[in-house]
Amino acid sequence: ETGVTQSPTHLIKTRGQQVTLRCSSQSGHNTVSWYQQALGQGPQFIFQYYREEENGRGNFPPRFSGLQFPNYSSELNVNALELDDSALYLCASSLVGDRETQYFGPGTRLLVL
Amino acid sequence: GESVGLHLPTLSVQEGDNSIINCAYSNSASDYFIWYKQESGKGPQFIIDIRSNMDKRQGQRVTVLLNKTVKHLSLQIAATQPGDSAVYFCAESWYSGGGADGLTFGKGTHLIIQP
Repeated sequence: ETGVTQSPTHLIKTRGQQVTLRCSSQSGHNTVSWYQQALGQGPQFIFQYYREEENGRGNFPPRFSGLQFPNYSSELNVNALELDDSALYLCASSLVGDRETQYFGPGTRLLVL
Repeated sequence: GESVGLHLPTLSVQEGDNSIINCAYSNSASDYFIWYKQESGKGPQFIIDIRSNMDKRQGQRVTVLLNKTVKHLSLQIAATQPGDSAVYFCAESWYSGGGADGLTFGKGTHLIIQP
């Protein structure tokens, strides 16, 4: 176990709705990265948070947003859900930044109907 | 597009044999590489990493080899066990100077252990 936890484990939403996913970092880690993993694919980088600010972003639209809190936990928010947003959402925590080992949580499985 | 790819989507090996999973990358600026194991319904689990100033790194039953000349990465698993059945991903990272770029993952290789 990595010590990274995510909630909820599963979620069903309908198109157009908004969703918030949560992540608690491994103890001592100050950086959180979020990834989207479609079925049968590798994870794709959404963004990273460090010191409560977005520190880098992948090729995802602005309706994907996030927060990091003083205790280093994080949220991923997705507005105006689309069917293609159905995926496993993973958070990974690391010390300092993306060029250090990232440890993943179990993920949240989102289904958009 | 993806800059990391795997040569085989599925690899089947006999229990007790050694497994070799290959990965090609195209970004010569990549300087950090990680292998992850992902079991069904779980998040990726860190196996081993290597930085570009190294050619080889060994862990417990696993070895990662990096050939920067041909941009090739491999994961060797010794004495493969049933618990090694999973999808294996290689991932790369590089510094672009504009903040975090995250890890770039390939599509994965499904390792199947035959009894």
